[in-house]
Amino acid sequence: GAGVSQSPRYKVAKRGQDVALRCDPISGHVSLFWYQQALGQGPEFLTYFQNEAQLDKSGLPSDRFFAERPEGSVSTLKIQRTQQEDSAVYLCASSLAGGPDTQYFGPGTRLTVL
Amino acid sequence: SQQGEEDPQALSIQEGENATMNCSYKTSINNLQWYRQNSGRGLVHLILIRSNEREKHSGRLRVTLDTSKKSSSLLITASRAADTASYFCATVSGYTGANSKLTFGKGITLSVRP
Repeated sequence: GAGVSQSPRYKVAKRGQDVALRCDPISGHVSLFWYQQALGQGPEFLTYFQNEAQLDKSGLPSDRFFAERPEGSVSTLKIQRTQQEDSAVYLCASSLAGGPDTQYFGPGTRLTVL
Repeated sequence: SQQGEEDPQALSIQEGENATMNCSYKTSINNLQWYRQNSGRGLVHLILIRSNEREKHSGRLRVTLDTSKKSSSLLITASRAADTASYFCATVSGYTGANSKLTFGKGITLSVRP
């Protein structure tokens, strides 16, 4: 069965480079979330989409972070001019409807900024 | 910011023993969820308990919720080496899409010795 997939699984970037992280949610899932997980910590919310609409981006740490979901399925998280503090695992999750339902997580993308 | 605080931070038990993990949170919730994360892998949803529920079971898992104390506990019975992982509690405070984000604690590291 198709779960949430993310690519790449690992990304190494030099400081100042731009990166793009992709999330393929479960087909038909309305809600899509991005979370950031620093080493040894729990995930922290970044942004939320309901279909193609970005309804909450309160967790994005700076204007270098940008997310989109243009057709209401695949989503991309872009980080411009990466900094060392951006090093983390970026997790994507989807849920069926627009309410407080179970979220299904992808394997994450581990970003290391040198 | 992280709402949940798990206790203990680390737990080491013998295979076959029961493991009890606790979580406290600060604000009112719609539901509370427990997730497991194996080393280097994504989060796996274990169980969801709604604010109007007090106890729920799923296989070897038992979760309780005390909204008056703003706390929850996860019991894993007859533990196995494969239960070794990090466990996170996460709360959902809202009822609609944008408020259905998960707020995680820092996690508990469970080690089950064979």
